[in-house]
Amino acid sequence: EADIYQTPRYLVIGTGKKITLECSQTMGHDKMYWYQQDPGMELHLIHYSYGVNSTEKGDLSSESTVSRIRTEHFPLTLESARPSHTSQYLCASSAGGRNGELFFGEGSRLTVL
Amino acid sequence: SQKIEQNSEALNIQEGKTATLTCNYTNYSPAYLQWYRQDPGRGPVFLLLIRENEKEKRKERLKVTFDTTLKQSLFHITASQPADSATYLCALFNDMRFGAGTRLTVKP
Repeated sequence: EADIYQTPRYLVIGTGKKITLECSQTMGHDKMYWYQQDPGMELHLIHYSYGVNSTEKGDLSSESTVSRIRTEHFPLTLESARPSHTSQYLCASSAGGRNGELFFGEGSRLTVL
Repeated sequence: SQKIEQNSEALNIQEGKTATLTCNYTNYSPAYLQWYRQDPGRGPVFLLLIRENEKEKRKERLKVTFDTTLKQSLFHITASQPADSATYLCALFNDMRFGAGTRLTVKP
């Protein structure tokens, strides 16, 4: 079982609210990723980090921001949530190495009313 | 820019048959392709990685092949079971982008 945790699992909020989705891993992985996935649809890479103080935007302009102040923690923040942000957000980490296996969290399902 | 595609959105097969899923990619060499399984409402789970210089990889009932000429990987599940029903995703290890996935349904 992978040691990567996301909170909250479910969140329903109103438009305009600021939210932070938390992601923590205890495996000491340098690489961490955020993906956005609508039900039955493909995964879109929105942010990634290769280590502390390193963050990059992915393909999807999700209007979110991330930070990587500690190796184990990679929170994602939406300053002003909109209904178009309604989706599932999946966090993943990887040690790199020979397989580069990604370990995923259980996801945070966000609904913006 | 790179691209990774899974041509079939859905695949339905009978229990006991072999399921074959396809993943095509462009613009990376060498390419390393990963395969994941995703169940509804859950995060993907890593299954196998195959490198461009490897023709084939096996793990239990799973087999992955690589054709560098076609820039294609095939993912096979032999002796399929209803419990194999899930969405299967391929990803480019080079940049961790995923294909759209193929939803496999194995009927008893």
